[in-house]
Amino acid sequence: AQSVTQLGSHVSVSEGALVLLRCNYSSSVPPYLFWYVQYPNQGLQLLLKYTTGATLVKGINGFEAEFKKSETSFHLTKPSAHMSDAAEYFCAVSGGSGYSTLTFGKGTMLLVSP
Amino acid sequence: EPEVTQTPSHQVTQMGQEVILRCVPISNHLYFYWYRQILGQKVEFLVSFYNNEISEKSEIFDDQFSVERPDGSNFTLKIRSTKLEDSAMYFCAMGGPGVTGELFFGEGSRLTVL
Repeated sequence: AQSVTQLGSHVSVSEGALVLLRCNYSSSVPPYLFWYVQYPNQGLQLLLKYTTGATLVKGINGFEAEFKKSETSFHLTKPSAHMSDAAEYFCAVSGGSGYSTLTFGKGTMLLVSP
Repeated sequence: EPEVTQTPSHQVTQMGQEVILRCVPISNHLYFYWYRQILGQKVEFLVSFYNNEISEKSEIFDDQFSVERPDGSNFTLKIRSTKLEDSAMYFCAMGGPGVTGELFFGEGSRLTVL
C-alpha cells in the first residue's frame, strides 16, 4: 500500500522567491513518484515524474524535484516563483509497476504575491 | 492540449437520479481510470479498467457505481442512484502505451447532487 503526505495545505511566496513544496511518501515497493498541477477549473497536468535512474528530475515551467529514498521524500522546488505558478499542486505515488493506481496527497495550494 | 475529453463539464442532478459521465480518449490509450475530488479534499481513486474489465477498484466504488466502454471508444462512469455525498469533481484518466506510470487526466466533470 502507498500513501502520500504533503506538508502545508497552503504555501505563500513572493514573486521571484524560492518555491518549496514538501512531499513524503510511504510505499512497500520501489515507488514511481509524480507531481501534478491543477489550475483553477482545469484538470491535472503532469509537472514531472521519477521512475528510475537520476534522482533529480526536471519538469515543465522550471520545476524540479529530488527523490530521496533515505528520507522517503520527493519535494518540489522552483528557484524563482512567477505569478502564473499560482495553482494547486499534488504529489502522487504509484507502486512502480507501470500502471499501478496513483495515490495522491491532499494537495498544496501555492499562492504567489507580487 | 488535453488528450482526454470529458462530458458534461458540469451536471446538476436530484438525489436518487442516475448520472452518466463520459470520457473520450483522443490518443490510443489502453488503461482507463476514474478519480474523484470532493471539494477541498484530495483526489481519490475509484476504479481502473483494462482490456474491457475492471482491474482494480477502491472501497468507494460500491454497487451504485459501474463503468463500461460500450462502443470501444467512450469510457463511462454510471452512478445509479446519486447521493448528496456524490457531489464532487470526477476525473477520467488514461495511460499507455509504455510502462511509465504516467496518467493523462481530463478536465473533469463537476457533479452537483441536490
